[in-house]
Formats: sequence, C-alpha cells, structure tokens
Amino acid sequence: QVQLVESGGGVVQPGRSLRLSCAVSGFTFSTYGMHWVRQAPGKGLEWVAVISSDGSNKYYGDTVKGRFTISRDNSKNTLYLQMNSLRAEDTAMYYCAKDRRWDVLYGMDVWGQGTTVTVSS
Amino acid sequence: DIQMTQSPSSVSASVGDRVIITCRASQGISSWLAWYQQKPGKAPKLLIYAASNLQSGVPSRFSGSGSGTDFALTISSLQPEDFATYYCQQANSFPYTFGQGTKLEIK
Repeated sequence: QVQLVESGGGVVQPGRSLRLSCAVSGFTFSTYGMHWVRQAPGKGLEWVAVISSDGSNKYYGDTVKGRFTISRDNSKNTLYLQMNSLRAEDTAMYYCAKDRRWDVLYGMDVWGQGTTVTVSS
Repeated sequence: DIQMTQSPSSVSASVGDRVIITCRASQGISSWLAWYQQKPGKAPKLLIYAASNLQSGVPSRFSGSGSGTDFALTISSLQPEDFATYYCQQANSFPYTFGQGTKLEIK
C-alpha cells in the first residue's frame, strides 16, 4: 500500500526554522519526483517545491525561494523540507506528494495527510 | 511565472447535472495540465493528468480537454460525492502553479 506520512509541523516563532519530513512506503521511492504543496487556512493550493528522483534537480516557488530547501534520502525513503526565516504567511498545511513519474510532468498521484505549520509569536 | 485562472470560482448544481469548469493559462502550456479534487479536511486527489488522461480509479464521468492556454474539466452527470473544490495545475514550467479553485456546491 502506497503511503506518505508527514511529520515535523508545529508552532514556531517568526524568523525561526523548522524541518518537515515525509516518510514513504509501498513504492520505489528513488524512481519518482516528489513535491511539497501547502494550503493556508481557508485558501487554495500553493506549490512549494519539487525534487527529482535522484535529488540532483530542485525547483521552488517564488515565495519560498532562498528560504526553503527540499531534499531527500533515498536510502531512508524520506523526503524533507527545511524551512528557514519563517514568516506568518508560511502558516499552512504542508502536504508531500508523489509525482506520477520521474520527469514530474504528469501530476501528483499520491498525497500525504499533511502536517500543520503555524508561524506566530 | 504562469498564471492559472479558473472559471467559475463557485458553481451550484444538482445531482445528474453536467458541469464544466474551465482553466486558462497566461501562456501556452501544451498539454501539461492536471486537475485535482479536494474535499474539506482531506488531501487533494488527482483526477486528470496531461490535460485529458483519466487517472486510474477515477470514474469515467470525469473528463478533461484542451491544450495550449484553454482547458476544461467536465463532469458528465454529477453524483453526491462530487461536491468538492477543484483545482487545475500547470506542469509546463517551474514554478508550477495552481488555479485559485472552483467550489462545486449542491443546489
């Protein structure tokens, strides 16, 4: 059974850091691109970042570029999102999602349940 | 960045109705478009990929069409479980972007 389980969310003060993790099972993790997508309370979906299957290529949304870093450990079947210099507007549910393929052109077919990040003093 | 604009932002319909949701890209994206369904408190679910390909396990009443800048998601005969919010997403170029969403409500 394909499963993605996020963890690491919580309440953090503005300017601080947080690292999210996404543990995957049920598929060959190292052959798929992986994404982070977030959703602020009551708002729509916002694409955050993607990483290629081997970790060599990474791309980011404009609002997080330079502050967030996506990474993966294929030996541990785990995806990460390091979030630095957090702002109130980063408050959201964060989802990890598996792409349908390695080339990340065909949509995100499996999603985790999400982890909540709240940035507040 | 490519902007994705969905129409309408919300729509009311009845069980059995045919509903069409449109998505327009600010520049051509070939067929690199996906559609998702999201229900309250749940993660999104992939419905359509590459503009017109039905994801495995998704009912055939859902279909996608279009290429270039104009796309559509059609639900041929609404079922009670279809009332949700729908999003389009372009995968033509980074950063990927979503439409603002279309909320489908029961009339």
